[in-house]
Amino acid sequence: ETGVTQTPRHLVMGMTNKKSLKCEQHLGHNAMYWYKQSAKKPLELMFVYSLEERVENNSVPSRFSPECPNSSHLFLHLHTLQPEDSALYLCASSQDLGPFPEAFFGQGTRLTVV
Amino acid sequence: AQSVTQPDIHITVSEGASLELRCNYSYGATPYLFWYVQSPGQGLQLLLKYFSGDTLVQGIKGFEAEFKRSQSSFNLRKPSVHWSDAAEYFCAVVPYGGSQGNLIFGKGTKLSVKP
Repeated sequence: ETGVTQTPRHLVMGMTNKKSLKCEQHLGHNAMYWYKQSAKKPLELMFVYSLEERVENNSVPSRFSPECPNSSHLFLHLHTLQPEDSALYLCASSQDLGPFPEAFFGQGTRLTVV
Repeated sequence: AQSVTQPDIHITVSEGASLELRCNYSYGATPYLFWYVQSPGQGLQLLLKYFSGDTLVQGIKGFEAEFKRSQSSFNLRKPSVHWSDAAEYFCAVVPYGGSQGNLIFGKGTKLSVKP
């Protein structure tokens, strides 16, 4: 148990569906992240939030929409996805954005787009 | 270009044998260096990290890593591998002056352990 919980663990969705991934941390951290982990590719940072404000958006398609309603929760809203979006989506949190506090990762949501 | 390279995609070692996983980085100034492990179906767990000081860093689960500036390397080692060490290992860096929001991962090395 790392203190970062992601739900659901597995998700299958059609290309016309709308779904949301949820991430929750009770570590008192101020920074939260979404990563995408595809087969044979390095982990890709998608979004960074610090104190509930988005601080980075790494050229992610608009069909991915993050939301951070409070410092403990982070969502990734999905709509009209493509099959190439199938991947493991990992949420992480850290005390703050400095380089020193380590990032704690959730177990991920395995997404399959059909 | 700035990058993190893990040259070995897959390594198999016998239980009880020693292990070394390679990581090289390409950055102007020495970045902050990390090793993470990902067990099947799990998220990533930090094994160890290096920021400055002693170039030999001790981590959890009996792992250690050595920073070699001259070789731009940060190789992960373990003297005696256990079957439970089978997992995927990721080297990661934060560029000097950057933040956890700049964490950049290598492609990973999958470790298999033979009985």
